[in-house]
Amino acid sequence: KAGVTQTPRYLIKTRGQQVTLSCSPISGHRSVSWYQQTPGQGLQFLFEYFSETQRNKGNFPGRFSGRQFSNSRSEMNVSTLELGDSALYLCASSLAGRPYEQYFGPGTRLTVT
Amino acid sequence: GIQVEQSPPDLILQEGANSTLRCNFSDSVNNLQWFHQNPWGQLINLFYIPSGTKQNGRLSATTVATERYSLLYISSSQTTDSGVYFCAVERPIGTGTASKLTFGTGTRLQVTL
Repeated sequence: KAGVTQTPRYLIKTRGQQVTLSCSPISGHRSVSWYQQTPGQGLQFLFEYFSETQRNKGNFPGRFSGRQFSNSRSEMNVSTLELGDSALYLCASSLAGRPYEQYFGPGTRLTVT
Repeated sequence: GIQVEQSPPDLILQEGANSTLRCNFSDSVNNLQWFHQNPWGQLINLFYIPSGTKQNGRLSATTVATERYSLLYISSSQTTDSGVYFCAVERPIGTGTASKLTFGTGTRLQVTL
């Protein structure tokens, strides 16, 4: 069974631009979560989607948003990029309900210049 | 929110040595996972262990939920074990089924020849 996939793997953007990251969960997994990893803040939860609905949200500004499609694939969007948004963005998927083991993708490394 | 503390923050071992990594959490949890982050940033699942003991090759883990800690044992360490080890926990969120992992700050392990 294929693992969680994320695209693109690397991205360089300029301050003020916006970016969209994509995540495809493991087949059969309906919950998708997003995390941000930075050297200063560590791994922090962004949001979780299930059945195209956001079920949980972390403490991030409204510039960070996401969505989930009917095939469980998810995208996250960051608008008006700031230098501090440079990070590794990780996506995780799990079976429906909770608690279930979460499986992570390889991540998207975003650099904002 | 729940606090997750990992110790030690850094660990240097010679190949062949054994080690114990600790994870303390501040409240009851219904999910606990151990991950190894490889040099490319991907989180590799080691154990899903909200309670009890599990073993997988040279690795084993024990969670004592009533005392709010978990231990990861690495025996006969190899250079390929180097990297950062994270403990992550999940608490029930109300009566819903939303999920969110809270990560510790990690233990950076370096195994030398």
